[in-house]
Amino acid sequence: GAVVSQHPSWVICKSGTSVKIECRSLDFQATTMFWYRQFPKQSLMLMATSNEGSKATYEQGVEKDKFLINHASLTLSTLTVTSAHPEDSSFYICSARDGREAWETQYFGPGTRLLVL
Amino acid sequence: QKEVEQNSGPLSVPEGAIASLNCTYSDRGSQSFFWYRQYSGKSPELIMFIYSNGDKEDGRFTAQLNKASQYVSLLIRDSQPSDSATYLCAPTGDNFNKFYFGSGTKLNVKP
Repeated sequence: GAVVSQHPSWVICKSGTSVKIECRSLDFQATTMFWYRQFPKQSLMLMATSNEGSKATYEQGVEKDKFLINHASLTLSTLTVTSAHPEDSSFYICSARDGREAWETQYFGPGTRLLVL
Repeated sequence: QKEVEQNSGPLSVPEGAIASLNCTYSDRGSQSFFWYRQYSGKSPELIMFIYSNGDKEDGRFTAQLNKASQYVSLLIRDSQPSDSATYLCAPTGDNFNKFYFGSGTKLNVKP
């Protein structure tokens, strides 16, 4: 159980375009989803926390108008990188919490590699 | 973000040895502490978590927590080459919700 999927796994786009990444919890309802970004040889940096039906909470320094997060259902959250630029190229990983669990365990998706040319 | 310190390594141990991974954290409000393993190019996978002072064992893994010293560690017994990965420490934030990951310790287990 506790499987999280992401789509797409790879995306290459031109500078200035927008890219949407989907994160789905496959066998549980995710009360909270998180979006992280990881640059090569660095750790995961939390970008935002997303609760179903409410606005995402962004970490300091993360532009909410550039990284649009929608959590429309208990099994789906999307991250849209608007007007992507080469510096946005990174590994984007989502995670989800199972609302049935008492603890704060986060289950991670496989990640999406974004390359902006 | 909260500070989480880990020795980046690499930590090299021979197969069958005990690997000891350490983590210190700055947020005294952290209540739970998670250890994840991340293979190169992959996303993190959960190893275990601990929330009480002392030791918690799960198979070959033992987590140790000392909240007074703001220190958490992970011991891997009988290390295997397949354990070679980066180990990430993640204390929860003071709202029990967010993780703030350390930079990770790269472990190499030599056959």
